[in-house]
Amino acid sequence: QVQLVQSGAEVKEPGASVKVSCKASGYTFTDSYIHWVRQAPGQGLEWMGWINPNSGDTKYAQKLQGRVTMTRDTSISTASMELSRLRSDDTAVYYCARGGRYSSSPGFDSWGQGTLVTVSS
Amino acid sequence: SYELTQPLSVSVALGQTARITCGGNNIGTKNVHWYQQKPGQAPVLVIYRDSNRPSGIPERFSGSKSGNTATLTISRAQAGDEAEFYCQVWDSSTWVFGGGTKLTVL
Repeated sequence: QVQLVQSGAEVKEPGASVKVSCKASGYTFTDSYIHWVRQAPGQGLEWMGWINPNSGDTKYAQKLQGRVTMTRDTSISTASMELSRLRSDDTAVYYCARGGRYSSSPGFDSWGQGTLVTVSS
Repeated sequence: SYELTQPLSVSVALGQTARITCGGNNIGTKNVHWYQQKPGQAPVLVIYRDSNRPSGIPERFSGSKSGNTATLTISRAQAGDEAEFYCQVWDSSTWVFGGGTKLTVL
């Protein structure tokens, strides 16, 4: 079965960077896009961007441009998301999810368990 | 940027039918996906492309669209259906989520 397993919780100081990983199994890693979605405490879901594991191409949400970098390592079927210059309002649970690029895709059909990132001095 | 509007909360009596709406400009031209999220858990896809159920999702969950509104319908509501529900569309090369609706089963 499809599984996405994320790295553990992180605590970071303002201004630092954090890198969250997402290891895929149960399907061909390069066949589907990986999306990153975050959820601040008590808030809704916010799409952050996607990476195409086959080509390495990325697309980021405009508000995160310049601070977010998504990468992948196909040899270990792992996608990663790095967020820099952290602020307190970046405190959130970060999810990776398998999905497509376009409207015609069948939604985000598998999700990681989430990684809590806390930004605090 | 594109916005999706959902009611903050919907209540339904046990065994009755709940309807959760999602409004957006020209949503009729977009594919709408729906997710269920229970406290402390990751979201789960319950409807994709307006009205399709992924494998393992009960037939009690259905989706529809009319005009500028998409609707998630949950028939014969159970206590275990209590959760936050989010709609999602693709617009201008980005993915957009609605603000979420808290479903309470009375």
